[in-house]
Amino acid sequence: EPEVTQTPSHQVTQMGQEVILRCVPISNHLYFYWYRQILGQKVEFLVSFYNNEISEKSEIFDDQFSVERPDGSNFTLKIRSTKLEDSAMYFCASRKSAGVRNEQFFGPGTRLTVL
Amino acid sequence: ILNVEQSPQSLHVQEGDSTNFTCSFPSSNFYALHWYRWETAKSPEALFVMTLNGDEKKKGRISATLNTKEGYSYLYIKGSQPEDSATYLCAFHYNQGGKLIFGQGTELSVKP
Repeated sequence: EPEVTQTPSHQVTQMGQEVILRCVPISNHLYFYWYRQILGQKVEFLVSFYNNEISEKSEIFDDQFSVERPDGSNFTLKIRSTKLEDSAMYFCASRKSAGVRNEQFFGPGTRLTVL
Repeated sequence: ILNVEQSPQSLHVQEGDSTNFTCSFPSSNFYALHWYRWETAKSPEALFVMTLNGDEKKKGRISATLNTKEGYSYLYIKGSQPEDSATYLCAFHYNQGGKLIFGQGTELSVKP
């Protein structure tokens, strides 16, 4: 069964460093998302991406964040200069189409630890 | 601010018990309500996508109901098994773009 994959499973970085989190969505899906969950808090939306552009982003998704679909299979989230408060589990999700009954399929997450 | 609340936050039951939990969401601008099952270190697994008021969905021993007018959904597990132990998340979907707003989850522990 097709699944969303994410690498790495755990990333440790120093404050101020750049990180790139990688996702491979399900191959025939057209809508892509990033969410994150800070420990003890709710899963929160970061950004949605469709047709090679951002379709919606949250207040969290400031200039330090960017997303890219560089080669038609990968979907990446870049954090330019990490802060301690960026420590969280980051989830990628994909959806086949905009139909109301379509599920979002989630990857297993990347745990980002900023020291 | 759109807010989704789940209760209880955690639940400990014995094998064979039936259980249910609640998801409350805004009753306006409703598009869909999603239920996910999430085991530690695994991907959240989609259980149901519910779209119509009065919807009832079932998958094995798990079922869900939806009331969009009053803004709540119930998830039921009949005859809980240890393998049902997981966090159950609901997510409110209010526009075509697909942004999901999550509740805090209900952590279920089923003891043999």
